[in-house]
Amino acid sequence: KQEVTQIPAALSVPEGENLVLNCSFTDSAIYNLQWFRQDPGKGLTSLLLIQSSQREQTSGRLNASLDKSSGRSTLYIAASQPGDSATYLCAVNTGFQKLVFGTGTRLLVSP
Amino acid sequence: EAGVVQSPRYKIIEKKQPVAFWCNPISGHNTLYWYLQNLGQGPELLIRYENEEAVDDSQLPKDRFSAERLKGVDSTLKIQPAELGDSAVYLCASSLEGGADTQYFGPGTRLTVL
Repeated sequence: KQEVTQIPAALSVPEGENLVLNCSFTDSAIYNLQWFRQDPGKGLTSLLLIQSSQREQTSGRLNASLDKSSGRSTLYIAASQPGDSATYLCAVNTGFQKLVFGTGTRLLVSP
Repeated sequence: EAGVVQSPRYKIIEKKQPVAFWCNPISGHNTLYWYLQNLGQGPELLIRYENEEAVDDSQLPKDRFSAERLKGVDSTLKIQPAELGDSAVYLCASSLEGGADTQYFGPGTRLTVL
């Protein structure tokens, strides 16, 4: 059974810092991995999707990497802003669009 | 373009009462998903539809939960009777096709069972 773990569970940083969120999964047989953002009381917004054959994806200040063999992914956020405060979830696609989510990292960026 | 629409946004009911949630996916999206998200946890898939066919309902507690997607567009998730442990956020998502397409999520329905 695929299990997804995210570390740390919570993170508080001052504005402007670069930061890394970690995601690990137990079964390397995945189709892709997605990073989502969830704001309080709202649904999930997809940030980046990395196919199993890719090593990384970039969107603006966000960069996600994938090391399938070791079962790890990282989300790098450059020059963090207060508007980045949210919960970040990673999810692995185990096939047939079945997503298995981690428990998330709650990020607070203070001005 | 409108995103995934869910209603109601919030629902408070007494235990043993029935409750229903409605979802309208993004226009043209054939695949629809219902997820359950408990506080402090990631979402867990309850059921996935390809058009009007439920192709994965292995995680749906069928003794009290039911779902339908008539005409392959909007969908309803029902709980009858509700239990205290059903208090959670119920999320609906849709994607253009199955496979590797990105899933787009609605804002969810927060259910509180008293």
